[in-house]
Amino acid sequence: SQTIHQWPATLVQPVGSPLSLECTVEGTSNPNLYWYRQAAGRGLQLLFYSVGIGQISSEVPQNLSASRPQDRQFILSSKKLLLSDSGFYLCAWSVDRVPYEQYFGPGTRLTVT
Amino acid sequence: RKEVEQDPGPFNVPEGATVAFNCTYSNSASQSFFWYRQDCRKEPKLLMSVYSSGNEDGRFTAQLNRASQYISLLIRDSKLSDSATYLCVVISLLGSYIPTFGRGTSLIVHP
Repeated sequence: SQTIHQWPATLVQPVGSPLSLECTVEGTSNPNLYWYRQAAGRGLQLLFYSVGIGQISSEVPQNLSASRPQDRQFILSSKKLLLSDSGFYLCAWSVDRVPYEQYFGPGTRLTVT
Repeated sequence: RKEVEQDPGPFNVPEGATVAFNCTYSNSASQSFFWYRQDCRKEPKLLMSVYSSGNEDGRFTAQLNRASQYISLLIRDSKLSDSATYLCVVISLLGSYIPTFGRGTSLIVHP
């Protein structure tokens, strides 16, 4: 069966510090991968998605970036965090066929202070 | 107009009640539809896909109305454990197959 891992589970970082969040998927090949952010009391905001190694599409311009160095690894990064980067970061994967349902990792709760 | 709209609620119902949520979508090219459940401070979890013919899973029934562009979720015999936020998700199969999430409907089931 497929499993998706995210770490760390929680993170407190000062403004201006760098960020690296990692997501890995097991049990499937060539998944579509996604990064979302959910601010407190808000809906899910798609940040990045990837359909293959090295292929990243950005949905929202901001100070975050994403990389996919391996088929089942997706990394979210920032060089300098802003207060507004606080939120619940979720990684998700989907199969590349109809109906494209997504499965989410446990998330990382980031607080920028 | 938002692509996927849901009544945020909260819907506050007693145990045993039947409750229904609707979700409207604006993209007529939408082809895949889902309901997710999200508990407080947790990740969303797939509850059920929504098929054109409607589908049922235990106490949960999902319906799709393409003509009016909405999907619905019916929960019968509500349990305390059903308390959560229910997210509607729509995917257009034209282009990049990126899902669009509604902001969710909050359900509170009380004793």
